Amino acid sequence: DARVTQTPRHKVTEMGQEVTMRCQPILGHNTVFWYRQTMMQGLELLAYFRNRAPLDDSGMPKDRFSAEMPDATLATLKIQPSEPRDSAVYFCASVGPEAFFGQGTRLTVV
Amino acid sequence: GQNIDQPTEMTATEGAIVQINCTYQTSGFNGLFWYQQHAGEAPTFLSYNVLDGLEEKGRFSSFLSRSKGYSYLLLKELQMKDSASYLCAVRGSNYQLIWGAGTKLIIKP
Repeated sequence: DARVTQTPRHKVTEMGQEVTMRCQPILGHNTVFWYRQTMMQGLELLAYFRNRAPLDDSGMPKDRFSAEMPDATLATLKIQPSEPRDSAVYFCASVGPEAFFGQGTRLTVV
Repeated sequence: GQNIDQPTEMTATEGAIVQINCTYQTSGFNGLFWYQQHAGEAPTFLSYNVLDGLEEKGRFSSFLSRSKGYSYLLLKELQMKDSASYLCAVRGSNYQLIWGAGTKLIIKP
């Protein structure tokens, strides 16, 4: 859904580099989810926030992934250092009464 | 534990009707969502049910029975473009979304 903005749409990077993905949720929505999806798997929850506070980030590899929500208009997901197995599409979902997805960031780590 | 079950794959004929079922067992219930996802694209919101009954939206309808832990998505007048995966998700306690694995719907002429 176009109202949830994710950037960049595509990212190709070399192994070991830092990757930052951004999500602008829908104004007024107070819950934001980060998901990862590969060809072989369904939606894998990485982390989610409610009212900007992290509620669950147990799905993230803590040594390399971090998720933050510095303000109500921005959620970020960082990978440092990136590895080829991180290659996937990363979605954020903005949730109020209903839930909408951004278009995703297609990450390729070579 | 928490789980959501959907059929893995279904096949239907263009112009026909298909019903995709979803059963759930979750700790807490704060609504059920249905999404459509075409290959390589983001999931698109279809419907949201929080009360029992049928919600109709054009060719798509969604039904919920909270006492049975059951929902279905009904697609009428099937078109080739309806070929996609259909995802059922439940908002449980602590606002988390719990997802089914999705049902791949194949439409044949």
